[in-house]
Amino acid sequence: GAVVSQHPSRVICKSGTSVKIECRSLDFQATTMFWYRQFPKQSLMLMATSNEGSKATYEQGVEKDKFLINHASLTLSTLTVTSAHPEDSSFYICSARAPGQAEAFFGQGTRLTVV
Amino acid sequence: AQSVTQPDIHITVSEGASLELRCNYSYGATPYLFWYVQSPGQGLQLLLKYFSGDTLVQGIKGFEAEFKRSQSSFNLRKPSVHWSDAAEYFCAVGTMEYGNKLVFGAGTILRVKS
Repeated sequence: GAVVSQHPSRVICKSGTSVKIECRSLDFQATTMFWYRQFPKQSLMLMATSNEGSKATYEQGVEKDKFLINHASLTLSTLTVTSAHPEDSSFYICSARAPGQAEAFFGQGTRLTVV
Repeated sequence: AQSVTQPDIHITVSEGASLELRCNYSYGATPYLFWYVQSPGQGLQLLLKYFSGDTLVQGIKGFEAEFKRSQSSFNLRKPSVHWSDAAEYFCAVGTMEYGNKLVFGAGTILRVKS
C-alpha cells in the first residue's frame, strides 16, 4: 500500500509555456501533499504544502504565482509551472500523507527541462 | 528552525567494507527521522525511519540506523557494502509541530570500489 504516482516522469517544454505535474495517492486519501524541488547535485527543498480544499502554503522565496498548486481532491494535487524558463528546469517530487499519519510517501519525481 | 547536517558530501568504501553515514539535526523536540536513497535520475526510496521506541532501527537492504538523542544524531550503518549500494543518501527530519514537512540534509554520495 501507500503508493504515490507522479506524472509525467519527464517533460520538456518551451520557454514561456506552462507545465502541469500531477501527484496522485493511489491507495489512500491524502489530506496533505508536499511539493519539493531538487536542482542538479543538490538536496530537496520544500516548495509548498497543499491541504485538500484550501490554499497551499508556500515556503519563503517560492513564487506562488509561478508555481500554482491545486489540491482539489483527497487523491490528487497538481503543480503548474507557469511561464516556464530554463532556470525552472529541475527535478520536482511530491509526497502525500494520510490524515493523522507522520509519514509521507514520495512519488517518483518529474524531470522538467525548459528549452 | 529545523536543520539537518550531513557532513560528508562524498564517501568511498570498498565492497564488503562497513559503512557509516553521519546525520545530525538541530531541533528542540523529538523529531521523526528518515533515511532515503536516491539513484541518479530516480526518485526517493525510504530505507528506514524512526518515530519513537527502540532507538536502533532496521531498514531495507541490510541498513540500520541509531537515534542518539544526546548527540542529536541518526547515523546510517551497513556492515558490508555491496556495489549496488552506490547512490546518494539523504537524511531527513520532520516534526508534528511543523506539520510533518521534511527538511533534508545535503546528501552523501556513496561510491563503492571493487
